[in-house]
Parts: sequence; structure tokens; C-alpha cells
Amino acid sequence: GQQLNQSPQSMFIQEGEDVSMNCTSSSIFNTWLWYKQDPGEGPVLLIALYKAGELTSNGRLTAQFGITRKDSFLNISASIPSDVGIYFCAGQSPGGSNYKLTFGKGTLLTVNP
Amino acid sequence: GAVVSQHPSWVICKSGTSVKIECRSLDFQATTMFWYRQFPKQSLMLMATSNEGSKATYEQGVEKDKFLINHASLTLSTLTVTSAHPEDSSFYICSARAQGGNTEAFFGQGTRLTVV
Repeated sequence: GQQLNQSPQSMFIQEGEDVSMNCTSSSIFNTWLWYKQDPGEGPVLLIALYKAGELTSNGRLTAQFGITRKDSFLNISASIPSDVGIYFCAGQSPGGSNYKLTFGKGTLLTVNP
Repeated sequence: GAVVSQHPSWVICKSGTSVKIECRSLDFQATTMFWYRQFPKQSLMLMATSNEGSKATYEQGVEKDKFLINHASLTLSTLTVTSAHPEDSSFYICSARAQGGNTEAFFGQGTRLTVV
């Protein structure tokens, strides 16, 4: 089945620092999505990417759909304490039925004020 | 827009009883809804995909008779955990995809189920 590796598993940074996390897949995706999950809550969509090479920003967040269609990264600039949470990448493979998503294992981000 | 509401947020039930969780798309019509299970510090595990008006498609290893899914309208899907056991305790999350929309799915806030 689809293998999706997300790294790093966790990060501890100081407020104001930039953060980068990425996901790689064993096969190509049509869509990459990035979500943030706070404790006890459902994931919230941050950025959606639909085309290889696409670079999209949402405030301090920037994500790119890798040109090979097998990877994506998410950058957070000038981190703030409320950036704390778990970030998940998710992808949808070509020909997938019902738009099922495959999720990465998540990156736990801790921001020290 | 794209709000998905899940109810209840948390529930405690006794072993052997059944629990129903509702997932509603509040401001859009959802042809497809997904049910996930998430254990502490782990990723989301897809349990089943439900399409309005048809039977749900369950992932391998998920018992369809134990986790009953009904998607009777374009705005409501329900998950019923039947004859619950303590090992069913988990965080259950639904997501919904808009009719005619892109791949992106929007998630409910999740339901914490504790079976005692």
C-alpha cells in the first residue's frame, strides 16, 4: 500500500525561528494537503496543493508540491507559541476511489516562548 | 464556510452498550464522509468511507457489524459503535468532502469515547 514518510517526528524550537517539515511518498500523489491538529481537536486544513511544482502560502505558512509528485514540504516562518501542535501531511493518489487520503504520522511542534 | 460538526465531543459508556456519533456538514453538502480512529500520539486511521445513500466501504480489519455507518442525507453521517468494549476507547474523527469539490476534506472536532 501507499507509504508516506513524514519528518521530523518532533521539533523543539524557540519563538521566532523558522520551521520546515516534509513528507515523501513511495508513489505519486495527485494532491497534497497539510493539516494542523491541536490536542483533543480534529485536524484543521492549512494548505491544499493540486499541481506538481505548486508553491502556496497561507500567512506565515508556505507549502510546495514536489515536482516528482512524491514529496511535499511545509515551512512556518517566525514561529509563535500558538503554532504548537501536530502537523500532518496527507496525500491522495491517482485513481484513488472516493478521494481517500493517506496521512503521514505527524510532526509534533513545540515552540518555547 | 466548510464547517463540519461532530457530536458528542466526548462520551463515556458502559461495556456492552452502543454509542452513536453524529457528523454534520453545516454549510455544504457532503457526498462523501470519512470516519477515522486515532490513538494517542498516532496518526489518523481510516475506518470507512460513506457515500450518501449507499453502503459504507470499510477498510481492511474494520468490523462493519461493530462499527455501523449510516449516511442517510447529504449533511449527516452517523457512526454507531455497537457492544462497546474498553479497547474501543479512542478518539473518533469524521471528515466530509463537498459535492463537486476538490479533494480536500474538512474535519469535525472529534469524539473522545471512553468505555468503562
